[in-house]
Amino acid sequence: EVQLVESGGVVVQPGGSLRLSCAASGFTFDDYTMHWVRQAPGKGLEWVSLISWDGGSTYYADSVKGRFTISRDNSKNSLYLQMNSLRTEDTALYYCAKGMITFGGVDYWGQGTLVTVSS
Amino acid sequence: QTVVTQEPSLTVSPGGTVTLTCASSTGAVTSGYYPNWFQQKPGQAPRALIYSTSNKHSWTPARFSGSLLGGKAALTLSGVQPEDEAEYYCLLYYGGAQLRVFGTGTKVTVL
Repeated sequence: EVQLVESGGVVVQPGGSLRLSCAASGFTFDDYTMHWVRQAPGKGLEWVSLISWDGGSTYYADSVKGRFTISRDNSKNSLYLQMNSLRTEDTALYYCAKGMITFGGVDYWGQGTLVTVSS
Repeated sequence: QTVVTQEPSLTVSPGGTVTLTCASSTGAVTSGYYPNWFQQKPGQAPRALIYSTSNKHSWTPARFSGSLLGGKAALTLSGVQPEDEAEYYCLLYYGGAQLRVFGTGTKVTVL
């Protein structure tokens, strides 16, 4: 059974930093692209970032480029999101999601971890 | 900034059919945008329904189908069930910058 479990969400002040983690199990982690997606309270989904199977390619939404860094440790079956220079508008539930072998597909999602940026 | 637009809300009767669409501000949506569709119920994580325009996941009920319609990606629900009441999101791939963009979401009410 595929499982994705996010952690690391807390309350942080504007300008602060945070690292989110996603622990993956039930599939061969290093075969798949992984994504971070966020959802602000009461709002829609926003794609945040993607990392290739080997970590060699990373892509970001314009809203987080230069502030967030996606990474992975395939030896630990883990995905990370380093978030710097946090803004109040970064407040959201952050999901990790698994890509598919078929290009462009996204199949499994975690339950999310809540990040609140507030003074 | 690229915007992906969906109908804000649609209402359908039980057993009826409804089609949701997904339009890109950059022009016609084609298979090269690899449209995905997701269902999200209140308090739950999104659940994948469709990938690459029309392919279903193993868990996707047969009444859900994906297509391209008039320059947009489309999700059709046939024989709607009360449990289909949810928010639905499309996701498009923009190859030039390797970006993904979610649609604005459609709230489907079964009434």
